[in-house]
Amino acid sequence: EAGVAQSPRYKIIEKRQSVAFWCNPISGHATLYWYQQILGQGPKLLIQFQNNGVVDDSQLPKDRFSAERLKGVDSTLKIQPAKLEDSAVYLCASSLVGGNEQFFGPGTRLTVL
Amino acid sequence: AQSVAQPEDQVNVAEGNPLTVKCTYSVSGNPYLFWYVQYPNRGLQFLLKYITGDNLVKGSYGFEAEFNKSQTSFHLKKPSALVSDSALYFCAVRPFNDYKLSFGAGTTVTVRA
Repeated sequence: EAGVAQSPRYKIIEKRQSVAFWCNPISGHATLYWYQQILGQGPKLLIQFQNNGVVDDSQLPKDRFSAERLKGVDSTLKIQPAKLEDSAVYLCASSLVGGNEQFFGPGTRLTVL
Repeated sequence: AQSVAQPEDQVNVAEGNPLTVKCTYSVSGNPYLFWYVQYPNRGLQFLLKYITGDNLVKGSYGFEAEFNKSQTSFHLKKPSALVSDSALYFCAVRPFNDYKLSFGAGTTVTVRA
């Protein structure tokens, strides 16, 4: 079974630039999560989708972050414009509907200079 | 609001010795508890979970964890640590009626040969 795929693995940008991350969940997993993991901290949920609908985006900084999952499979997370404090690893995870276990991708390490 | 505390930033043990990584939690209602491990430049890997039933939960790679409701703890244990167990360990909790996971800050485990 293929795992959660994410790209790119690394990205370096300057502040005020925009960036996008891509996630392909495990086949059949209707629930998809985006987390932000700042160095030295645990992952923090940014947004949760079920199919193509948003379940929870209460911790997503909506003035600069956006996410979509148009066809209920792949998802993209965008930051525009980026700030220095956005430097982090962005993790995507997926699960079955009602599933207790979340499966994580390798993450995208973002450095904002 | 739910939260997780991992009181030790680092745990150092010798190979072959017992390993314990501590976790306490706060959540409304019955908790669902999880342990994940993260190796460098990798995503989080699921180790084990407590949902209900026996307080002692066995997981991957010889790890186990004990749920203690009165102490609101879910400590991770391994009877005999290996050098390959050196990694970053995260405890996570969610209420039984919500899929939002809250993670601790993580504990870095170093097992010396």
